[in-house]
Amino acid sequence: AQKVTQAQTEISVVEKEDVTLDCVYETRDTTYYLFWYKQPPSGELVFLIRRNSFDEQNEISGRYSWNFQKSTSSFNFTITASQVVDSAVYFCALSHYGQNFVFGPGTRLSVLP
Amino acid sequence: GAGVSQSPRYKVAKRGQDVALRCDPISGHVSLFWYQQALGQGPEFLTYFQNEAQLDKSGLPSDRFFAERPEGSVSTLKIQRTQQEDSAVYLCASSSAQEQPQHFGDGTRLSIL
Repeated sequence: AQKVTQAQTEISVVEKEDVTLDCVYETRDTTYYLFWYKQPPSGELVFLIRRNSFDEQNEISGRYSWNFQKSTSSFNFTITASQVVDSAVYFCALSHYGQNFVFGPGTRLSVLP
Repeated sequence: GAGVSQSPRYKVAKRGQDVALRCDPISGHVSLFWYQQALGQGPEFLTYFQNEAQLDKSGLPSDRFFAERPEGSVSTLKIQRTQQEDSAVYLCASSSAQEQPQHFGDGTRLSIL
C-alpha cells in the first residue's frame, strides 16, 4: 500500500524567513513519481514539481527547492525568503505511473507580514 | 479551454436526491481523474479514465457513485441517493498522459442537507 505522511499540520512563519515542509512516503514500487501541489485559499490545486524515483538530484526553482532522499523516503520542500503570497496548503503526493495517486494530508503554511 | 472546467461551482441538495457533477478537461488530455476532498484533508482518489475507458474505480466509496466519460472528453460524476457524508469538494484533474502532472479544476463544493 502507498502512503504519504506530512507530519506538520500547520506552520506559521514571519515574512522573509525560510521554511521547510516535510514529506515522508511509503511504497513497495521501485518506480514511482513524487509531486508537490499548492492549494491557495481560492481552492485550485497548483502543480509545483514532479520527481521520478530514479532521479535523486535536488532541484531549485527560484525561491523553491526540493530535497529528495530515497534512503529516508523523504521529499522535503523548502521556501526561501517566504512571502505572504506563499500562504496556502501544500500537498505532497505519490503515484505509480499515474495510478494509485495518493495525497498526503497537507501542511497549512501561514506567512505573516 | 485553457484549464479544467468544473460545474456547478456549488451544489446544495437534500439528502436522498441524485446529483451530477461535470468536468471539462483540458483539450487533448487523455487522462482524467476524480477526487473527493473533505474539509481540512487531502484529496482522495475516486476514479480514473484513459480516454473513454474507466481503468480504475477502486476509490468510489459505494455503488451510489458512478462516473462516465462516454466520448473521451467531458466526464460526469453522478451520486445517487445522496447522504450527508457525501458533502465534500469534488475535484477533477486531467493530464496529457498517465504519469504526467495533473491539472486540477476549481472543484464542485457539494453540500447535502
